[in-house]
Amino acid sequence: DQQVKQNSPSLSVQEGRISILNCDYTNSMFDYFLWYKKYPAEGPTFLISISSIKDKNEDGRFTVFLNKSAKHLSLHIVPSQPGDSAVYFCAATTQGGSEKLVFGKGMKLTVNP
Amino acid sequence: NAGVMQNPRHLVRRRGQEARLRCSPMKGHSHVYWYRQLPEEGLKFMVYLQKENIIDESGMPKERFSAEFPKEGPSILRIQQVVRGDSAAYFCASSPLSGKQGAQNYGYTFGSGTRLTVV
Repeated sequence: DQQVKQNSPSLSVQEGRISILNCDYTNSMFDYFLWYKKYPAEGPTFLISISSIKDKNEDGRFTVFLNKSAKHLSLHIVPSQPGDSAVYFCAATTQGGSEKLVFGKGMKLTVNP
Repeated sequence: NAGVMQNPRHLVRRRGQEARLRCSPMKGHSHVYWYRQLPEEGLKFMVYLQKENIIDESGMPKERFSAEFPKEGPSILRIQQVVRGDSAAYFCASSPLSGKQGAQNYGYTFGSGTRLTVV
């Protein structure tokens, strides 16, 4: 039962353009969402997060949008850089829980110079 | 300020042997989480521990797997009588905060993982 879905396994964009990574969830109890970036042979690194009381959060080149009614969130990276090439995971957690995160399967982003 | 330290980085075990994975949280962090990543999958929660307490083990397989976080020393994830299906990357994360604030404020910090291969 995949509660957090990243339906596209990969994305390739040109340097300087926008990268849009999508994530859908099924559990309406999720109230906090996070994006992680992962390089090969390393652990995930926290990128940006958003609470369900907001619909947008911005941090430099990274912006996360949340559409609660559609149970959908997206990560925008602009401008994309070759160093952004990595696997990106969407994750969610529920209020009152033990902080355990439910992860999507990840999407591999390749930014071409 | 060292991050979350996991060792070994790579571990090879024969079927039926025991695997012990160690995790030292960041300095000042008293909350530890273990996640497992199977090939081509996302990370899956296994267990959440505080010092000397298991808080949530809802993701742990019922048999052969155990975890501890003693008062002194690293957290240990122990897998007895390993099988090929246990081959995966095991990640540890730590947080300084309890409850919802931990994941929210820090997105907590992951280690580099231990890659277990069962042959």
